Amino acid sequence: QKEVEQNSGPLSVPEGAIASLNCTYSDRGSQSFFWYRQYSGKSPELIMSIYSNGDKEDGRFTAQLNKASQYVSLLIRDSQPSDSATYLCAVLRGGNQFYFGTGTSLTVIP
Amino acid sequence: GAVVSQHPSWVICKSGTSVKIECRSLDFQATTMFWYRQFPKQSLMLMATSNEGSKATYEQGVEKDKFLINHASLTLSTLTVTSAHPEDSSFYICSARAGTYEQYFGPGTRLTVT
Repeated sequence: QKEVEQNSGPLSVPEGAIASLNCTYSDRGSQSFFWYRQYSGKSPELIMSIYSNGDKEDGRFTAQLNKASQYVSLLIRDSQPSDSATYLCAVLRGGNQFYFGTGTSLTVIP
Repeated sequence: GAVVSQHPSWVICKSGTSVKIECRSLDFQATTMFWYRQFPKQSLMLMATSNEGSKATYEQGVEKDKFLINHASLTLSTLTVTSAHPEDSSFYICSARAGTYEQYFGPGTRLTVT
């Protein structure tokens, strides 16, 4: 079983819609959760971090964490073509043990 | 936000030569730095984790004698690819952490070995 699992997509949404990206993790001891955005040919960029159950909002982005279900999601409201990228879910377990999912490719259609 | 730089951004070298890639945290002190490799359309692959002043911890399958990592200071880590071969051609990305939980990535170095 992989540490972090994401649907690879591609996920396509029309411009202005809500994009929903999901991630599950295997270890209940995981403590911190992150969403990164990676444009083609570029390195990942941190867009959200979440540490406790519930929702965390930052602009058009909302991260949701449910530790009981071992599930973390990212919602992107009012999706824009510039949001088209691969979104990586990452989980921190222990001091330095980061685990990345394989990423979900998102395309926002104008 | 935290800024991490890498140099060079791209490099072409001949097979058998060595290449050094620098990773710097510009506005914070990085207690830990990570080195990743990413092949086209594939996910990130962690190569090694390094803490300032101590030896790097390499992931299984990564040759420590081929990929030399030196974390000389709290703001600088280097990766040297020794005796490079065409199969080492890849996108190498470093990242750094301060005392917080987040990990910040550098812009990456694209290595092509001819």
